[in-house]
Amino acid sequence: QSALTQPASVSGSPGQSITISCTGTSSDVVNYNLVSWYQQHPGKAPKLMIFEGSKRPSGVSDRFSGSKSGNTASLTISGLQAEDEGDYYCCSYADSTTYVFGTGTKVTVL
Amino acid sequence: QVQLQESGPGLVQPSGTLSLTCAVSGGSISSSNWWSWIRQSPGKGLEWIGEIYLPGSPKYHPSLKSRVTISVDKSKNQFSLKLSSVTAADTAVYYCARNGEPCYFDCWGQGTLVTVSS
Repeated sequence: QSALTQPASVSGSPGQSITISCTGTSSDVVNYNLVSWYQQHPGKAPKLMIFEGSKRPSGVSDRFSGSKSGNTASLTISGLQAEDEGDYYCCSYADSTTYVFGTGTKVTVL
Repeated sequence: QVQLQESGPGLVQPSGTLSLTCAVSGGSISSSNWWSWIRQSPGKGLEWIGEIYLPGSPKYHPSLKSRVTISVDKSKNQFSLKLSSVTAADTAVYYCARNGEPCYFDCWGQGTLVTVSS
């Protein structure tokens, strides 16, 4: 069971929009609309940002949105802010009742 | 608001058993049916280890299944992880987390670093 594939890094200027991709297979992303996204700041625990592909937990800014097309899920951050810097991980439910995380993406605000 | 706190030895001998406990505070462990352990090797990504289903049996990552045991003690409002026959590759920050339904992790502990070394 391989990790979902994410770009190693994505950057943008304040106010811009960026999109992080998360590519999987028919064993996970394709067959299950159960992708979640997590933000992690250095030395901190991950924080849930998106669940069930596109739903935001209470308290998460509406600048964060999620979507899916085929074998790729995406997280878009609109109106990029300095506080959005950090690592982002996708996660999908997978066959054999397990979970698989993405390789992680470092977001840099220029 | 539910909070999670991991505890256990920070250093484990190679071939030994890693044992961690996750204490649930600010609410009942029965607030969710599912509770997970997730780890992160230094400078690496996240890896789901397994989960405990309160009414039933646990589920484990296939690659760790032979070495992992996750259990729950409802009376103490906590759940535990045991990982046997550890090697340096098991050195990681270990997180406990609450599963939301369906299939996400909505509450995490702060994490605890476990180093496997003699």
